[in-house]
Amino acid sequence: EIVLTQSPGTLSLSPGERATLSCRASQSVSSSYLAWYQQKPGQAPRLLIYGASSRATGIPDRFSGSGSGTDFTLTISRLEPEDFAVYYCQQYGISPRTFGQGTKVET
Amino acid sequence: QVQLQESGPGLVKPSETLSLTCTVSGASISRYYWSWIRQSAGKGLEWIGRMYTSGSTDYNPSLKSRVTVSVDTSKNQFSLKLSSVTAADTAVYYCAKEGAGDPVNRVFDFWGQGTRVTVSS
Repeated sequence: EIVLTQSPGTLSLSPGERATLSCRASQSVSSSYLAWYQQKPGQAPRLLIYGASSRATGIPDRFSGSGSGTDFTLTISRLEPEDFAVYYCQQYGISPRTFGQGTKVET
Repeated sequence: QVQLQESGPGLVKPSETLSLTCTVSGASISRYYWSWIRQSAGKGLEWIGRMYTSGSTDYNPSLKSRVTVSVDTSKNQFSLKLSSVTAADTAVYYCAKEGAGDPVNRVFDFWGQGTRVTVSS
């Protein structure tokens, strides 16, 4: 299975700052089948990005995804108060689908 | 709007079978892939398996020997059975819908709120 390693584990930033989250795969993710999710306490994950760089419906353009192969990045251009949460990457190119361990963005 | 709701016992005894149901509204269960995902403190988010109403299933090899996912199209529901549970199966269990069409869309676009299941005697 593909192991996804996210870094850093925790990112301490302030509102208005830029957040850069990394996701590295143990092998190439085919056709950039890489997604990003946001999870807040007590809630289910919410889809942000799919296909490595396409925003899901209703997701603000301050969220952007990039990368290919084994290295992927989620960037939040200017943090809003509601963006402080845990972010997960997930690959869906090969079964089993796997998730990273998460990056917590905290203030 | 698509909505998913998990239901089932919150407490299961060791060695017994965990059974959960996901009720879907706002989408026909016959048109998409449907998955079960769990989240525990120890293992994070773990995909359990998925199914399509054609009968096609795909399970995580780590759980395959204990997992069955099935569908009831008349009720627009799908279900999870996980046998021989241990404390390691204690987690929040989510049901989720996959996007349709091009494989690049096959992400988990709608999730249930999750249901906590504890395995304990």
